[in-house]
Amino acid sequence: GAGVSQSPRYKVAKRGQDVALRCDPISGHVSLFWYQQALGQGPEFLTYFQNEAQLDKSGLPSDRFFAERPEGSVSTLKIQRTQQEDSAVYLCASSLPPGRNRDEQYFGPGTRLTVT
Amino acid sequence: AQKITQTQPGMFVQEKEAVTLDCTYDTSDQSYGLFWYKQPSSGEMIFLIYQGSYDEQNATEGRYSLNFQKARKSANLVISASQLGDSAMYFCAMREGSGYSTLTFGKGTMLLVSP
Repeated sequence: GAGVSQSPRYKVAKRGQDVALRCDPISGHVSLFWYQQALGQGPEFLTYFQNEAQLDKSGLPSDRFFAERPEGSVSTLKIQRTQQEDSAVYLCASSLPPGRNRDEQYFGPGTRLTVT
Repeated sequence: AQKITQTQPGMFVQEKEAVTLDCTYDTSDQSYGLFWYKQPSSGEMIFLIYQGSYDEQNATEGRYSLNFQKARKSANLVISASQLGDSAMYFCAMREGSGYSTLTFGKGTMLLVSP
């Protein structure tokens, strides 16, 4: 399909393991966002890319979180040494270039991470 | 202070009735945008409707309309003729400023539509 896809959909990790979450944005979408959604909460911003440039990483909760988008398309969110508090749904969203008034973000289905 | 406040954790409505989901926001920017997203149990966030701060008319998209009261800083979502498939979490979100800006979401309202 033409929407945002994320993989895996579900990930169970043991505390201390590293995980990598993948996002395939809509083709041609310049902007890419990662959000973290804890149970019963709204999504919270993690980081933003414009093409391959990471312009904002102010929402990353610790230096264990790292994101990249090397060719300006697919993005990977990596979490090192996972902790239980990292358990959440990780949502990826993409949009056309900024500056458009509406700037609607299209979301993927998310990756549900459970750290045991 | 919360930037987006949704005071209704849950709402119940009967099929075919209208329902209003509340949202208030806090910003000092003159230019901002307000969004409503629906999140069914499958987890995907589905865009419903957008209202720009300079838009003079309330936004409408099919059965969805946004009751925008700028002076009160409220942006309530009205769903007319509710359907069973409308049962989901609903999130209000705000984008501040122009150009790039991330979305700030509220905590959401769970809507349950009964037959």
